[in-house]
Amino acid sequence: ILNVEQSPQSLHVQEGDSTNFTCSFPSSNFYALHWYRWETAKSPEALFVMTLNGDEKKKGRISATLNTKEGYSYLYIKGSQPEDSATYLCARRPRGNTPLVFGKGTRLSVIA
Amino acid sequence: GAGVSQSPSNKVTEKGKDVELRCDPISGHTALYWYRQSLGQGLEFLIYFQGNSAPDKSGLPSDRFSAERTGGSVSTLTIQRTQQEDSAVYLCASSLYQREGRTGELFFGEGSRLTVL
Repeated sequence: ILNVEQSPQSLHVQEGDSTNFTCSFPSSNFYALHWYRWETAKSPEALFVMTLNGDEKKKGRISATLNTKEGYSYLYIKGSQPEDSATYLCARRPRGNTPLVFGKGTRLSVIA
Repeated sequence: GAGVSQSPSNKVTEKGKDVELRCDPISGHTALYWYRQSLGQGLEFLIYFQGNSAPDKSGLPSDRFSAERTGGSVSTLTIQRTQQEDSAVYLCASSLYQREGRTGELFFGEGSRLTVL
């Protein structure tokens, strides 16, 4: 994997369903992995920053895990709500003072 | 406010005209980034400032694009002789410098939507 890849590209779920997305990235030259949420007409907002293999972070109903050895991160949303509808962006920082490289995002639509 | 501010929020211009996009980062943030998102694409890195210097301008797509930052604060992205393929949302973000031991998370503005007719 040369770039940051996210799947699925888009996702429609019913309110109350739990869901998860995948972010894959090169396992070499790893410094940090970021997740952002980008709601329509707003600015992207940081959800998590993870740096260590095995890291797990949680914020309310949203959680994320990191596997740096195999180069992937999962984002989980438990009990999806309409306000969770957004594009979820994953980004990798190869070294400490380098810019983030973003994936194309997963667009989530939660249907009430 | 205390967030990253970008202007204009929307800009429609004719092909061949020059445009300037402005970013006012969070006070005290030493790192400033410009990204753009074209239709159907992910966030594409353009340029990164640390203070007033640009250690990485590798993402600028052509010599029509330039950026500067003054006083370690406001940044301006200039696109000369705009082309239709320049149409995109241009996002600015700032962060504390990673070497200060922070997480390096980015704080984004709401973007400048550029449409080139």
